[in-house]
Amino acid sequence: QSALTQPASVSGSPGQSLTISCTGTSSDLGGYSYVSWYQQHPGKAPKLMIYDVSKRPSGISNRFSGSKSGNTASLTISGLQAEDEADYYCSSYTSSSAFDVVFGGGTKLTVL
Amino acid sequence: EVQLLESGGGLVQPGGSLRLSCVASGFTFSSYDMSWVRQAPGKGLEWVSSIYSSGGNTYYADSVRGRFTISRDNSRDTLYLQMNSLRADDTAVYFCAKHHSAYSNSRIYYFDYWGQGTLVTVSS
Repeated sequence: QSALTQPASVSGSPGQSLTISCTGTSSDLGGYSYVSWYQQHPGKAPKLMIYDVSKRPSGISNRFSGSKSGNTASLTISGLQAEDEADYYCSSYTSSSAFDVVFGGGTKLTVL
Repeated sequence: EVQLLESGGGLVQPGGSLRLSCVASGFTFSSYDMSWVRQAPGKGLEWVSSIYSSGGNTYYADSVRGRFTISRDNSRDTLYLQMNSLRADDTAVYFCAKHHSAYSNSRIYYFDYWGQGTLVTVSS
């Protein structure tokens, strides 16, 4: 069982906006603003899309944005494109002694 | 261009050992913290271990602490993961990952480059 909770799947049509949620606790994303999001296409390595809740690494489209409120972080993708179809994972710093960083279980994004 | 190339995966019996390697290029390896992250077949991502740029600090998930050892050779631009006492639930693709420079030498981990991974299968 993953430490952070994400919906298993979401879907949207090209051009639409879509939001993926990620819920944690006060020991991880609720207590710290060290949240990141990764995109992973099938059989490929993950790619960093967002860090520090809402910052984009260089080269990442501004169609991707991040936010956080309380124990829930969100990734919003605007102007959905076919190439956005992938798995998305949230991640957070954690004060747990069992690990240094926790991931969500992943969300499969389908572009209809 | 940043490249990370893992090797050393394969089929091993429960209780056995493997050493994974990750050769880095395209950046100054000795300046960056590095990690291993794994992904069981059809499952999500799981952080395994991290090491600071100097190699002086290492960190482990509880699930592997005492069995796995992370190390690096900055003269060879190579990251390692020695895995002992392997169990079936260690079966996964193991990725090496470079840390984003935003929080160097800290326990805030953002992985901005990843290798393609190497598959470790633990089975009799």
